[in-house]
Amino acid sequence: DAKTTQPTSMDCAEGRAANLPCNHSTISGNEYVYWYRQIHSQGPQYIIHGLKNNETNEMASLIITEDRKSSTLILPHATLRDTAVYYCIVRVAHTGANSKLTFGKGITLSVRP
Amino acid sequence: DVKVTQSSRYLVKRTGEKVFLECVQDMDHENMFWYRQDPGLGLRLIYFSYDVKMKEKGDIPEGYSVSREKKERFSLILESASTNQTSMYLCASSPPRQGTNYGYTFGSGTRLTVV
Repeated sequence: DAKTTQPTSMDCAEGRAANLPCNHSTISGNEYVYWYRQIHSQGPQYIIHGLKNNETNEMASLIITEDRKSSTLILPHATLRDTAVYYCIVRVAHTGANSKLTFGKGITLSVRP
Repeated sequence: DVKVTQSSRYLVKRTGEKVFLECVQDMDHENMFWYRQDPGLGLRLIYFSYDVKMKEKGDIPEGYSVSREKKERFSLILESASTNQTSMYLCASSPPRQGTNYGYTFGSGTRLTVV
């Protein structure tokens, strides 16, 4: 699976959009971009994933560049409850014995009042 | 909603004890995983299972074993607990093919302290 690079931390003001970047310059054509987040003392939570096209759901939007070498997770109106570690993961749609998911260090988002 | 339930939120065990951490999922998922999480080290995969009675070692399997006798249940076993196994343990499950579905669902975690 391709490696990802994320900043260590960032902050944003409550109510503003939070834009979390991720670089994955070695991504292959069949690899998806996944985002998870982990709020303190809880298990990670799936947010969104995409292959080529931009994606949006009730939690966030995922913008993938045309060359697919980077992406941005957008939380349109950040709240204090969005303070968490956000993980960007790139991987193929594995099955069977190749199903494991590897987490990096992620980016710590702090939303300030 | 998919639910992954871990039997204990907090657990304190003595060095040398045999410890069982239980995980149950209710969505008929083929894949189940055990991770541990430590400050500064992030989430590390211990073992995973992609079918009943099937298991694969993750990145740090030493000192652990697993059991998957039924599809919904995946147990992590510490044969002889040691203080360096004090950690947060997280269980997860997923359908067999990742690309077109919703990925992993995690439990709330078990914080194990070995004294």
